[in-house]
Parts: sequence; structure tokens; C-alpha cells
Amino acid sequence: GENVEQHPSTLSVQEGDSAVIKCTYSDSASNYFPWYKQELGKGPQLIIDIRSNVGEKKDQRIAVTLNKTAKHFSLHITETQPEDSAVYFCAASMGGGADGLTFGKGTHLIIQP
Amino acid sequence: IAGITQAPTSQILAAGRRMTLRCTQDMRHNAMYWYRQDLGLGLRLIHYSNTAGTTGKGEVPDGYSVSRANTDDFPLTLASAVPSQTSVYFCASSLTTRENEQFFGPGTRLTVL
Repeated sequence: GENVEQHPSTLSVQEGDSAVIKCTYSDSASNYFPWYKQELGKGPQLIIDIRSNVGEKKDQRIAVTLNKTAKHFSLHITETQPEDSAVYFCAASMGGGADGLTFGKGTHLIIQP
Repeated sequence: IAGITQAPTSQILAAGRRMTLRCTQDMRHNAMYWYRQDLGLGLRLIHYSNTAGTTGKGEVPDGYSVSRANTDDFPLTLASAVPSQTSVYFCASSLTTRENEQFFGPGTRLTVL
């Protein structure tokens, strides 16, 4: 089955700086790569996703890049703000809901004021 | 109801007892999922359902069962709870099996003593 590795497990950045979280996946059949943000005591919330026919996607301060050849994808957050502090999860799916999502183990992002 | 609701919010349960976690969505999504979240392990898929009347096993199905009698409800049952089932449980749904975006509920924190 699919295996998703996520790094780093903890990331601390100064407010206003950029943050980058990286994930790798094992199954070349995976074609959907979402990123979720989870705040304390809440369920994960989708913040951005990318499909395998696209190399990059941007939504305001958040961007995701995908390298299918290398089987890795990254989340980029620019101009970080205190409200960006949370745990971020990457995930991969081979399409369709049948197998659900395979998640990375998460990155705790800390924005230092 | 808006989105996905889960009940109870939290529960402490004696080992050996039977427990059903409830999940209801009002988005008319066909696919639904149950994940468990454990520290350091991320989210892992327990069971899924592509449409009402069908269910399937995920990565960690042992000790759990599900049913999908209608579109809106997807209960998760622990027939005889064990301490290793102490976790936070999240229900999720997606529009169809081809639409990968999954929406998560607020979670149920379960402690088995």
C-alpha cells in the first residue's frame, strides 16, 4: 500500500518568514495530494490540494508543489502569521474514495512572534 | 445540522464494553470514512463506505465494525473495547468516490480503561 513520509515533525519560524513542509510518497499510482490543517481539539481541515496533472497550485499565501518523478510534494506558507500555528498533514490517494487517504505523521508548525 | 457531526464528543469506557460512535452528515455525500488519530502515527483509515449499503476495510480494521444503512449515517462499533483502542476517532465524507476532497467531523476522544 501507499506510504507517506513527512518532514519535519516540528517547525518553528519567525512571524513573517516562510515555512516549508515536505512529503514523499511511495506509490506512483497516487494522483491526489491534499494538505490539511488541524487546530487543537478540532478535526483536520483541507487547506489546499493538488492533482497529478498539475505541478504547482497557489492560494494566497499558501502554495503546493508536486514532483511526480521524484514522488514528493511540498507545502509553502509565505508571510506566516500567528494563526498559522497548527499541525499540518499531507496525504496521498490513488483516486476514488475506496482506499481513503494515506496521511503523513504531521508537522507541528510554531509561529514565533 | 451543518456538515459532519459526531457523538459523543468524548467517552471513557471500561475494557470489554461495547461502544458505538455515531457519525452523521447532511451534505448528501456518497462516501464516508472512519479514521483514528494517535500521537506520532497520524491518521489511519479504519473502515470506509463508497455508498449506502457497502463498506470496506481500511488499514486498521481489527476490532471495529461499521454499517451504512443510509446515506447520512455511518456508525462505528467496538464490539469489545480494549485499551489499545484509546484514540481520537474522526469521521469524514466525500461527495463521490471520484471526488477525493474529504471533510472531517470534530472527532470523538475515546479512552478505554
